[in-house]
Amino acid sequence: EVQLLESGGGLVQPGGSLRLSCVASGFIFSDYAMTWVRQAPGRGLEWVSSISANGDSKYNADSVTGRFTISRDNSKNTLYLQLNSLRVEDTALYYCAKGGQFRHTTGRYFDQWGQGTLVTVSS
Amino acid sequence: SHELTQPPSVSVSPGQTARITCSADVLPKQYTYWYQKKPGQAPVLIIYKDDKRPSGIPERFSGSGSGTTVTLTISGVQAEDEADYFCQAADITGTYMVFGGGTKLTVL
Repeated sequence: EVQLLESGGGLVQPGGSLRLSCVASGFIFSDYAMTWVRQAPGRGLEWVSSISANGDSKYNADSVTGRFTISRDNSKNTLYLQLNSLRVEDTALYYCAKGGQFRHTTGRYFDQWGQGTLVTVSS
Repeated sequence: SHELTQPPSVSVSPGQTARITCSADVLPKQYTYWYQKKPGQAPVLIIYKDDKRPSGIPERFSGSGSGTTVTLTISGVQAEDEADYFCQAADITGTYMVFGGGTKLTVL
């Protein structure tokens, strides 16, 4: 059974930083791209950032480019998201998601999701 | 950038058919994917590559369409289907992904 367990969320002031983690199990982590998707309160889903299976390729939404950095450690089956220069509008539940297409650079879609970790940016 | 447009809400009575559209603003259209999102739960993939259903997803969920508009159809809607539904696609390179704004399905 695939499991994705996010952690690292919390309350942070504007301009602050956080590091989110997602520990994966139940599949060969190094064979799949991984993605972060967020949902702000009362809003829809928003793609944030994707990373290829080997970590060489990374892609970001325009809204987070230059502030968020995705990375992964395949030896630890763990996905990360470094959030810097946080803004109030970054407040959201952040989901880790497994790419649906085997070894595609972004996975194209998301066939398994974690339960999310909440990031609140407020003074 | 790529945009996907969905109706904000759809309402149907139990047993009826619900149809949720997803319109893309550019061609060629990549495959479309659909997710069900219930409050307090993680999203669930219900349709991939326009019309394919993952294992475990009931047959009453189906996807169709081509060109710039695709449709999620839920036949014989049940109370448990009340949820938000999101379409998703990738750009031509597959490296930039976008979600539709979501459709709230209400079962009357």
